[in-house]
Amino acid sequence: KQEVTQIPAALSVPEGENLVLNCSFTDSAIYNLQWFRQDPGKGLTSLLLIQSSQREQTSGRLNASLDKSSGRSTLYIAASQPGDSATYLCAAHFGNEKLTFGTGTRLTIIP
Amino acid sequence: EAQVTQNPRYLITVTGKKLTVTCSQNMNHEYMSWYRQDPGLGLRQIYYSMNVEVTDKGDVPEGYKVSRKEKRNFPLILESPSPNQTSLYFCASMKREGGNEQFFGPGTRLTVL
Repeated sequence: KQEVTQIPAALSVPEGENLVLNCSFTDSAIYNLQWFRQDPGKGLTSLLLIQSSQREQTSGRLNASLDKSSGRSTLYIAASQPGDSATYLCAAHFGNEKLTFGTGTRLTIIP
Repeated sequence: EAQVTQNPRYLITVTGKKLTVTCSQNMNHEYMSWYRQDPGLGLRQIYYSMNVEVTDKGDVPEGYKVSRKEKRNFPLILESPSPNQTSLYFCASMKREGGNEQFFGPGTRLTVL
């Protein structure tokens, strides 16, 4: 069964620190992986999309990596800010035309 | 502006009263999909559509119907809503070639009493 896991479920970090969010998946035949941000009660904002042929993608202070062989992706956030507080979701596209989501990591940046 | 829109954004209804949640995208995407989000369960796919007149079940299709008569619209129909369908619903669309990034609507919060 194709599954996506995010651990920990919640994380608190002081402002200004760099941090890493983890995502693991069970099927190495992944097509791509997408990271989203979700604010409480709000929709999903796409942050980064990594194709299976890529190892990483960068957007501003965000960097996402993909290691198919180990079944892992990480989202690195540099110089964290209170505005980064949100739930971060990763979702894998296994080529069957749907996204399989993890349950997310709720990030709190402490001022 | 490229976007996926959903209506209504919030809905409170009673058991058994048929309802439709609309979804529309202006990006000429072939693929559209519905998800529901529940605490502790994450997002799960309800139905998806690869193109006009082509729909298929996702992981949790029971109690839902969809149609795809036009490329831009993909309504979600609850013929006889029940309280276990209380959830946050998201519509998404994707171009089937060139990256396959999915774009999501703002969500519809449905409460069935």
